Amino acid sequence: EAEVAQSPRYKITEKSQAVAFWCDPISGHATLYWYRQILGQGPELLVQFQDESVVDDSQLPKDRFSAERLKGVDSTLKIQPAELGDSAMYLCASSRYGDSYEQYFGPGTRLTVT
Amino acid sequence: GNSVTQMEGPVTLSEEAFLTINCTYTATGYPSLFWYVQYPGEGLQLLLKATKADDKGSNKGFEATYRKETTSFHLEKGSVQVSDSAVYFCALRPYGGATNKLIFGTGTLLAVQP
Repeated sequence: EAEVAQSPRYKITEKSQAVAFWCDPISGHATLYWYRQILGQGPELLVQFQDESVVDDSQLPKDRFSAERLKGVDSTLKIQPAELGDSAMYLCASSRYGDSYEQYFGPGTRLTVT
Repeated sequence: GNSVTQMEGPVTLSEEAFLTINCTYTATGYPSLFWYVQYPGEGLQLLLKATKADDKGSNKGFEATYRKETTSFHLEKGSVQVSDSAVYFCALRPYGGATNKLIFGTGTLLAVQP
């Protein structure tokens, strides 16, 4: 069964450093999502791509976060510089195009900023 | 705005007990409603969904009914097993709009004891 792949699974970084996460969606899924899940809270959407275009990045802190999906397949989420409050689980999900399709989630990247 | 409120955990039950996890929502129009489950160390998996009022979603013995009059989508299972131990998230997808983003509750940890 196809799965959403994410790496790394765990990342520890010092504040003010740069960090990047990678996501490979299920083949054929045109829509890709990055969510952030702070401990004890539900996931919150950071950015949604349709192919290589950003559909929604209203909750992305653009002064330090950036996301790209250059060829409309895999995606990278970057934080520079990292802050203590960025410690969280970063989840990637993908779906086929259209609002009736299920979002499939990857295992996530656990980020700890020290 | 759109939001989801679910009962706080942890919920601790003995095997074969009846499970209810309450979920209520605030939204305009007719959102779609979901229950996701997250097993330890894994990503979120869709458990069940309902897309219109009075719909009943069901899967693996779990059920939830979309109640518009009470803005609720409570999760139930008649007889829980140890393998059901996980975190359960209620979520909604707002009606219309350009994105398919999910809005999650804070999650409820279920621990089933043998």
